[in-house]
Amino acid sequence: DAGVIQSPRHEVTEMGQEVTLRCKPISGHNSLFWYRQTMMRGLELLIYFNNNVPIDDSGMPEDRFSAKMPNASFSTLKIQPSEPRDSAVYFCASRSTRTGWTEAFFGQGTRLTVV
Amino acid sequence: AQSVTQPDIHITVSEGASLELRCNYSYGATPYLFWYVQSPGQGLQLLLKYFSGDTLVQGIKGFEAEFKRSQSSFNLRKPSVHWSDAAEYFCAVGEKQTGANNLFFGTGTRLTVIP
Repeated sequence: DAGVIQSPRHEVTEMGQEVTLRCKPISGHNSLFWYRQTMMRGLELLIYFNNNVPIDDSGMPEDRFSAKMPNASFSTLKIQPSEPRDSAVYFCASRSTRTGWTEAFFGQGTRLTVV
Repeated sequence: AQSVTQPDIHITVSEGASLELRCNYSYGATPYLFWYVQSPGQGLQLLLKYFSGDTLVQGIKGFEAEFKRSQSSFNLRKPSVHWSDAAEYFCAVGEKQTGANNLFFGTGTRLTVIP
């Protein structure tokens, strides 16, 4: 398996523009996480899905952020409109809960810069 | 609420010296515990995990960790550090409840290895 795949790896956008980050989880995994990593706040959980259903989105900073998981093999994190303070590395991770607790596998991340 | 504390933000060790990275957690039940490593520009890679059984767990790259329930700790150790171990290390705790799926991370410890 190719692991968790995120795209793009790098994104530079202007303030006010819409940004969409994409994630393909590992095949067979039924849980998916979106994390944001910054120097100031470390690794923050934004939202996680179980069986394509959002379970906890309390970490989503504000209404400008939205996440979807239309099927088991694809998820998006959208920021509209983007702001400079959204600049961070965004990680997607997936795991399987079908056989009990297992570790989460992380993608390489998307480095977002909003200018 | 669950929490993970990594009291050391930055540690510097000489190559060949021993290493111990501290991790304390706050959780009402027996947790699932993980150590991840992040190299610059990369995603998080699992080093080792504890679910149950033997409290001393072995991981990849010569790392081990010991779960001490009485101290609510899960410290990471390596007897002899290599220059390639320079990275950021994250401790994480998972909820051990049916239906719960969250994974809480500490703020990380940055390891510098000097020749």
